[in-house]
Amino acid sequence: AIRMTQSPSSFSASTGDRVTITCRASQGIGTYLAWYQQKPGKAPKLLIFAASTLQSGVPSRFSGSGSGTDFTLTISSLQSEDFTTYYCQQYYSSPYTFGQGTKLEIK
Amino acid sequence: QLVQSGAEVKKPGASVKVSCKASGNTFTNSDFNWVRQATGQGLEWLGWMNPNSGTTDYGQSFQGRVTMTRNTSIGTAYMELSSLRSEDSAIYYCARGVELAGVRFYFFDSWGQGTLVTVSS
Repeated sequence: AIRMTQSPSSFSASTGDRVTITCRASQGIGTYLAWYQQKPGKAPKLLIFAASTLQSGVPSRFSGSGSGTDFTLTISSLQSEDFTTYYCQQYYSSPYTFGQGTKLEIK
Repeated sequence: QLVQSGAEVKKPGASVKVSCKASGNTFTNSDFNWVRQATGQGLEWLGWMNPNSGTTDYGQSFQGRVTMTRNTSIGTAYMELSSLRSEDSAIYYCARGVELAGVRFYFFDSWGQGTLVTVSS
């Protein structure tokens, strides 16, 4: 199985900050990478697929980049509703695996 | 929209069957996937089922214990997990894969609300 490793696991930031979360795959996955946001008690929400394609309705402050094994999710200017947990997921090959999550906290 | 069945409490060794109903005429649009999340933990994919053919693909960790089926007449997908143990206690989500230009992709753009399964003696 392809292992997905996110960093950092948690991070403190302030409203308005620019933040970047990293996701590394244990082998090359092209651009078969998605990012999700999950708020407490809710199902995950798709933010980005194909490494950099913004899902419809997702604010443009979210962006993704990368290919192969190294990927990033960037939030250009943190809003209060962005302080929650983010997951990456590879869909290059089965089993489709997720990173362990990155929790964004208010500083 | 995906609507799942309610919470379940099971004893170790038992089985649980969770349902996921798709709204409107969307049942055959794309594959149904199942993803679970233990309390405070990350996301784990269990497998997918094609609603048209019934074809399945299960994660190796769940082979032999998970069965995914569907009832097309009522637009509902099911996930049954057997030989339950305490480590199977989690929220189980159904989620739709995405089909673009006839190609199926296994990222998930629509999720059910989740079903809490508790395994306890």
